[in-house]
Amino acid sequence: DIVMTQTPLSSPVTLGQPASISCRSSQSLVHSDGNTYLSWLQQRPGQPPRLLIYEISNRFSGVPDRFSGSGAGTDFTLKISRVEAEDVGVYYCMQATQFPHTFGQGTKLEIK
Amino acid sequence: QVQLVQSGSELKKPGASVKVSCKASGYTFTYYAMNWVRQAPGQGLEWMGWIRTNTGNPTYAQGFTGRFVFSLDTSVSTAYLQISSLKAEDTAVYYCARAADGGATDWGQGTLVTVSS
Repeated sequence: DIVMTQTPLSSPVTLGQPASISCRSSQSLVHSDGNTYLSWLQQRPGQPPRLLIYEISNRFSGVPDRFSGSGAGTDFTLKISRVEAEDVGVYYCMQATQFPHTFGQGTKLEIK
Repeated sequence: QVQLVQSGSELKKPGASVKVSCKASGYTFTYYAMNWVRQAPGQGLEWMGWIRTNTGNPTYAQGFTGRFVFSLDTSVSTAYLQISSLKAEDTAVYYCARAADGGATDWGQGTLVTVSS
């Protein structure tokens, strides 16, 4: 199975400041079709997860442009340009390149 | 708009079975596979597997074979998760999520299954 490792596991951030979460996979996430199926999800307290970014860097419908994704191969990053109060929650990376699909452990974003 | 509406919370005794439903609307049901994801209390997300809605062919992650069964009723655009011989450690929120764009694009609200004597 592909292991997804996120850092940090907890990230206290000041409102209006940037935040960054790293996700590293144990194998390359490049699929045989040439695409890289790495996505980022947000789970606010008491809510189901919500897709933010798919295929490394594509923002899903309705996602604010302060969220961006980057990376390639085995190293990926989610950045929030200016953290807002509504961004509090847990962020997960997920790979769908190989079965079984796997998630990172989650990174808890909290306000300082 | 795409909606996935799951059945309500369940309280079951050990050894019993439960069937969770996930009704889809706002898109053609058989065009996208359906993921199932487990979240134990206070824990992260765990991919259980998925079912291809055009063929009914399921794929199960290790640890979710045997007691876990994915099924469909395409006539009502609904996916099901059945868990048999329930154990206390099956206590979790179970989510369905549409598989699209190389990920899980739309999620149900979750179904809490509590297993307790």
